[in-house]
Amino acid sequence: AQTVTQSQPEMSVQEAETVTLSCTYDTSESDYYLFWYKQPPSRQMILVIRQEAYKQQNATENRFSVNFQKAAKSFSLKISDSQLGDAAMYFCAYRNHYSGNTPLVFGKGTRLSVIA
Amino acid sequence: DTEVTQTPKHLVMGMTNKKSLKCEQHMGHRAMYWYKQKAKKPPELMFVYSYEKLSINESVPSRFSPECPNSSLLNLHLHALQPEDSALYLCASSQDSEHRDEQYFGPGTRLTVT
Repeated sequence: AQTVTQSQPEMSVQEAETVTLSCTYDTSESDYYLFWYKQPPSRQMILVIRQEAYKQQNATENRFSVNFQKAAKSFSLKISDSQLGDAAMYFCAYRNHYSGNTPLVFGKGTRLSVIA
Repeated sequence: DTEVTQTPKHLVMGMTNKKSLKCEQHMGHRAMYWYKQKAKKPPELMFVYSYEKLSINESVPSRFSPECPNSSLLNLHLHALQPEDSALYLCASSQDSEHRDEQYFGPGTRLTVT
C-alpha cells in the first residue's frame, strides 16, 4: 500500500520569505500523481499544485513550486514571497494513475504559520 | 463553475436522530466522494461514487448511508450516530478520467453528535 509522510507537523515563515514543506512517499508504482492541497482555517480544501510522475519538469504555479525527486520519492513544496493568506494546513497527497476515482492517499499535514 | 456546495454548514444531532448531508456540483464530474475529517488530521475516505454507482466503501459503519440520486448530487444519510462521529464531513468531486483527476472539495459540514 502507498504511504505519504510529512515529517514537519508545524512550520513558520516570515512574511515575504521562502519556506519549503517536505513530503516523502512510498509506492511500487511507476505512474502516479502527486498533489499539494491547502486547507485554511476557514476549512475549504483547495488544490495548490499537481505533478505527474512521468514528467521530469517540476510543476510551478505562481509563488508555489515543487521539487520532485522521483528516485528519492520526495515531493517538497516551496512557497516564495510568503503572504499572510498562505497560513493554512498543507496536505501532500498521492494517487495512482489508473482511473480518476482512485482514492487519494494523504499525508498527516503540515501547519504553516506566517509571521507578519 | 468550479464549486462544490454542501449543506448544512453546521449540524447538531442527537444519537437517535436521522439527518442527511447534501452535496452538489455542476462541473459535469462523474466521480463523487465523502470524507470524514477530525481536527488537525487529514481527510479519511468513506465512500466513492463513479457514474452514480458506489465503487468504494471503506468499511464505514451502516449508520452512514450514502446515496447518489443523479450525477450532480450526493447525499449522506445519518442514523443512530455516536459522539465519536462528530467531525467535519467533506464532499469532493472529480472528472473520473485518467487525465483530469483533480478532486475539488466542498466547504464541509461540521457535525456534532450529542
